[in-house]
Amino acid sequence: DAKTTQPNSMESNEEEPVHLPCNHSTISGTDYIHWYRQLPSQGPEYVIHGLTSNVNNRMASLAIAEDRKSSTLILHRATLRDAAVYYCILRPFGNEKLTFGTGTRLTIIP
Amino acid sequence: DVKVTQSSRYLVKRTGEKVFLECVQDMDHENMFWYRQDPGLGLRLIYFSYDVKMKEKGDIPEGYSVSREKKERFSLILESASTNQTSMYLCASRTGGGNQPQHFGDGTRLSIL
Repeated sequence: DAKTTQPNSMESNEEEPVHLPCNHSTISGTDYIHWYRQLPSQGPEYVIHGLTSNVNNRMASLAIAEDRKSSTLILHRATLRDAAVYYCILRPFGNEKLTFGTGTRLTIIP
Repeated sequence: DVKVTQSSRYLVKRTGEKVFLECVQDMDHENMFWYRQDPGLGLRLIYFSYDVKMKEKGDIPEGYSVSREKKERFSLILESASTNQTSMYLCASRTGGGNQPQHFGDGTRLSIL
């Protein structure tokens, strides 16, 4: 399975946008890109997913590079509640499993 | 909202005991999953089930078994607990295909002494 690479940690100021990068240079044409986050003392929660086009939902935006070898999760206005570990995951088409890496720990500075 | 409930937040057992971790979801989801989470290793899939009485091995099934007798309940069983099974265990459920969100419980922190 293709792997993802994320920075171990990032910091951002409250009420500013946050861009969380993910590299997946070995992605195949049918791999979906999923993002989950895990707040302290909770299980992970779904954030967003996409294949080729950029995606928006109420939580975040997902920007996918044209060659699909990288993607960026965008939190438009970070709040303290967004402090979490963010996981970028590739899901091969037809594969029911998600393989979580170690993610990026996002710290929000008040 | 989907609710996935794990029977215990914290559990302490002894080496060699048979341990049952229970998970219940209230949204009639077909698919259910068991993961363990360890520092530096992320979440690793142990077993999953896509229907009652059906099960599939994940990436690290050794030392574990599962049971799904009813659609809403998925049990993880440690046949003979060992200290290397001390971990955070997370259950998830999902409806439909692979792009549907997985909904997670808050986890059971299991310590094997």
